[in-house]
Amino acid sequence: RKEVEQDPGPFNVPEGATVAFNCTYSNSASQSFFWYRQDCRKEPKLLMSVYSSGNEDGRFTAQLNRASQYISLLIRDSKLSDSATYLCVGLNQAGTALIFGKGTTLSVSS
Amino acid sequence: DAGVTQSPTHLIKTRGQQVTLRCSPKSGHDTVSWYQQALGQGPQFIFQYYEEEERQRGNFPDRFSGHQFPNYSSELNVNALLLGDSALYLCASSIGTSVEQFFGPGTRLTVL
Repeated sequence: RKEVEQDPGPFNVPEGATVAFNCTYSNSASQSFFWYRQDCRKEPKLLMSVYSSGNEDGRFTAQLNRASQYISLLIRDSKLSDSATYLCVGLNQAGTALIFGKGTTLSVSS
Repeated sequence: DAGVTQSPTHLIKTRGQQVTLRCSPKSGHDTVSWYQQALGQGPQFIFQYYEEEERQRGNFPDRFSGHQFPNYSSELNVNALLLGDSALYLCASSIGTSVEQFFGPGTRLTVL
């Protein structure tokens, strides 16, 4: 089993839609999780960290369920500019390196 | 404040050749990590350098080696290139053991 697995996607949604991405992880010792956003042919950029209590940043909400080893990202009121690949990220066993999922592609259309 | 910079942006090599990629970390950062991102995949951790030493290494063969200089900049060397080494090579910098890493724009390597 891969350390971080994501929904295969792609997700094609209209503007204004709500979309959710899911991710599971296998390293039960991981303490930190993140969602990164990557635009086509660009570098990944940190979108938000994910905390046990869940956290919200504007239209984006991230949740962590440690019992199920499950992470989610919810995007409300999708914008055209949200079109990108969303990468679910954990830490390796040593807690020093980022472990990325394959990414889920979102395409928002007008 | 300059972010992470990488050079070159693109590179074309042939099988068996050697390549060196360069990275300058964000100002104030002392740790550099390298990742390989194949098409359609997420980035995979190659290794991390701190205080001019390799601190952690991912599942990559010895053909992949690196170096960190006193000014914290870093190089990634790949010997005996294979077609499968074609990928986007990303450098990320951070401070000490912080998990917050900032990525450079990457070097796109094509091996023919």
